Amino acid sequence: NAGVTQTPKFQVLKTGQSMTLQCAQDMNHNSMYWYRQDPGMGLRLIYYSASEGTTDKGEVPNGYNVSRLNKREFSLRLESAAPSQTSVYFCASIFIEGTSGRGEQYFGPGTRLTVT
Amino acid sequence: LAKTTQPISMDSYEGQEVNITCSHNNIATNDYITWYQQFPSQGPRFIIQGYKTKVTNEVASLFIPADRKSSTLSLPRVSLSDTAVYYCLVGSNDYKLSFGAGTTVTVRA
Repeated sequence: NAGVTQTPKFQVLKTGQSMTLQCAQDMNHNSMYWYRQDPGMGLRLIYYSASEGTTDKGEVPNGYNVSRLNKREFSLRLESAAPSQTSVYFCASIFIEGTSGRGEQYFGPGTRLTVT
Repeated sequence: LAKTTQPISMDSYEGQEVNITCSHNNIATNDYITWYQQFPSQGPRFIIQGYKTKVTNEVASLFIPADRKSSTLSLPRVSLSDTAVYYCLVGSNDYKLSFGAGTTVTVRA
């Protein structure tokens, strides 16, 4: 049981390059999330997927796209990377009971992205 | 989505009790309150969750008054290893789980 895994762990991109961050969970959770965390700041929600087949924008979706490939996998794509996207990206998953938000989020180890 | 407000930072000494209060004035009837802990270079980790009154586990207690407009995380007898950022989240019925800025707790010897 690996929990939430993310690849890659580190990445350096040049401005304008594209890449996809991968996330997978093996806990049969229904909902998955992508957050970014800038140095010394809290986590900001980029996109989330309440259930397989659905995705929704979070607080800072501009410059990103997501795909909920199946129940296990949720990827984040940067189409044209910008220095402002330099950050640590965390993926999380949760099994939410009903519509209460009851449940425990599990986080991956993060992807440290630098855009030069 | 209920917004939350927490103090930015708190200082404490080893062996003391630390209490962090979170305000969530617009909490919905069905929402749960959850607290997470984050160490540098790691993702947040679940600490405790509750709906009303008091919840206690092996690491913390959570106090929620009857009006549920606030909650207090209590860390008993902190040690240096409890230095971390603590986040309060309120469950959203649209699954949009947003973190605030969190409270940086620094424990000194």
